[in-house]
Amino acid sequence: NAGVTQTPKFQVLKTGQSMTLQCAQDMNHNSMYWYRQDPGMGLRLIYYSASEGTTDKGEVPNGYNVSRLNKREFSLRLESAAPSQTSVYFCASSPAQGLNSPLHFGNGTRLTVT
Amino acid sequence: SQQGEEDPQALSIQEGENATMNCSYKTSINNLQWYRQNSGRGLVHLILIRSNEREKHSGRLRVTLDTSKKSSSLLITASRAADTASYFCADDGGSNYKLTFGKGTLLTVNP
Repeated sequence: NAGVTQTPKFQVLKTGQSMTLQCAQDMNHNSMYWYRQDPGMGLRLIYYSASEGTTDKGEVPNGYNVSRLNKREFSLRLESAAPSQTSVYFCASSPAQGLNSPLHFGNGTRLTVT
Repeated sequence: SQQGEEDPQALSIQEGENATMNCSYKTSINNLQWYRQNSGRGLVHLILIRSNEREKHSGRLRVTLDTSKKSSSLLITASRAADTASYFCADDGGSNYKLTFGKGTLLTVNP
């Protein structure tokens, strides 16, 4: 059982380049989330998708876009990368709409923007 | 404002000892969750405690919740070197979708 799979695991970008972080879950979960983790800052919510076909902004959405491609996949796009977006990005999913069940996390994408 | 602040930021103990981590939050909640993160890995869910519960157990883990003080604690009994990790609390702030994480407690268990 793969759970939540994120690709790539590592990425180095130059300022201004674009890229898409991929996330897929095989647990038939309804809700999916993108977080970023920075030293001393904990995890901060970028975007979430409560169910297939819906997306909403989280705490730090500026500079990012998302697509809930289908129930399994939720991608995060950086249109013009900036050094401030250097971070570890985590995708998560949960079975039910709402937060009465735990989140299942992928192992992260480590992004460096130079 | 920052929700789910853990205390202490770092904790170092010997194997066999108990470890207690505390978490405070600022607004009313539906539930509060605790997660563990090993270095270089994603977070793993440990326990979810609902706002109408005061205590919950799972193996060597015990979580308490005091909604009047807006605080929670995680106790790990008889710690092992393998418990070395960062531990995070996360609260929903009364929302249905926005789980807000604290900055975490780094626990080191020395063999």
